[in-house]
Amino acid sequence: GAVVSQHPSRVICKSGTSVKIECRSLDFQATTMFWYRQFPKKSLMLMATSNEGSKATYEQGVEKDKFLINHASLTLSTLTVTSAHPEDSSFYICSASGGTIGEAFFGQGTRLTVV
Amino acid sequence: AQSVTQPDIHITVSEGASLELRCNYSYGATPYLFWYVQSPGQGLQLLLKYFSGDTLVQGIKGFEAEFKRSQSSFNLRKPSVHWSDAAEYFCAVGPSGNTPLVFGKGTRLSVIA
Repeated sequence: GAVVSQHPSRVICKSGTSVKIECRSLDFQATTMFWYRQFPKKSLMLMATSNEGSKATYEQGVEKDKFLINHASLTLSTLTVTSAHPEDSSFYICSASGGTIGEAFFGQGTRLTVV
Repeated sequence: AQSVTQPDIHITVSEGASLELRCNYSYGATPYLFWYVQSPGQGLQLLLKYFSGDTLVQGIKGFEAEFKRSQSSFNLRKPSVHWSDAAEYFCAVGPSGNTPLVFGKGTRLSVIA
């Protein structure tokens, strides 16, 4: 299957700072990327959908000013958590799809801890 | 609206025993169905998927799943569980392979000797 790389795998940041998470499709052009959040011992919830060159579409209840998503190229989407707070601590996972690929492939996830 | 129900939060099985994890979905048309496995602190690994065709799907690690339209189910099975199968299992549904997925709440599998 296609490969999606997510970086970093773990990050610890201080409250009030911003942190950027990258999601890269390594061997295909990802026209669409999805960002999910997983709370401890919970399921994955879709945060937003991003299409290359367009503004992301956020799910209801997700603060677009806090979770900035950029999908400027066909191989890279970024999620920036701005002014992070401890309640933003979570596991964030991206998935990517595109072209003739009939499914979305997941990255390895990023464990964010805000202290 | 799409939804996925995994009725069992936690299942414990003995090593070597058979396993069945239940998944029921609610969707207006024939959905794309997936099973993923997640080890602690790790990302998702796709076990198998169903798009169309044969309703019995074979996956990796000896897993299989059967799509039953009449029951809106997509249960995951394995004839003989190994200790390394202990993990969290998620069933997911989507209108196509390229769209965002709706996940069930997951079933945690424990394997005892």
